[in-house]
Amino acid sequence: GQNIDQPTEMTATEGAIVQINCTYQTSGFNGLFWYQQHAGEAPTFLSYNVLDGLEEKGRFSSFLSRSKGYSYLLLKELQMKDSASYLCAVSGGFKTIFGAGTRLFVKA
Amino acid sequence: DADVTQTPRNRITKTGKRIMLECSQTKGHDRMYWYRQDPGLGLQLIYYSFDVKDINKGEISDGYSVSRQAQAKFSLSLESAIPNQTALYFCATSSGRAGELFFGEGSRLTVL
Repeated sequence: GQNIDQPTEMTATEGAIVQINCTYQTSGFNGLFWYQQHAGEAPTFLSYNVLDGLEEKGRFSSFLSRSKGYSYLLLKELQMKDSASYLCAVSGGFKTIFGAGTRLFVKA
Repeated sequence: DADVTQTPRNRITKTGKRIMLECSQTKGHDRMYWYRQDPGLGLQLIYYSFDVKDINKGEISDGYSVSRQAQAKFSLSLESAIPNQTALYFCATSSGRAGELFFGEGSRLTVL
């Protein structure tokens, strides 16, 4: 079957670093995406990994290990505006499936 | 203006009514999708289309139908709405097999 797991909630402090993990089992793999979604808004693209390793983009980095079915999103220098849900998604076959999302709370 | 536009943004209706949610895009993408989002369940794929003549069922297509009227337009219909179809619905587009998804702003549907 197809399954994507990520923690339901996380809390971190402004200025700190947080790592959000994602494990997946899917039929077919074309790439792994991370999206950010603020409450009541549409998801927006953060990162894409298709090969193993780390992709860095400003304060955000994403890591992929295809053999382990594992990814993480690393957020550095947390800001209050980073409080949002972070969705792990896998593109496989002809469609993209999503995990339930991790709600991140950033506190002062 | 948004690249992916959904109408209506909010709708309250009664059980048994027919509802249509519309989506139009200016990104020039061939691939369009309808997702449903419920709290704690993430985004679930309802239907997807790769061109005007191609329609495919997603994970949760029962109770829904779609129409791809043109490359830029993809509509979702609930023929007879029921309360457990109360959710936030998103239309999305992509440019290719592994392309990122571009989402509309969402349509919040409440079925009483």
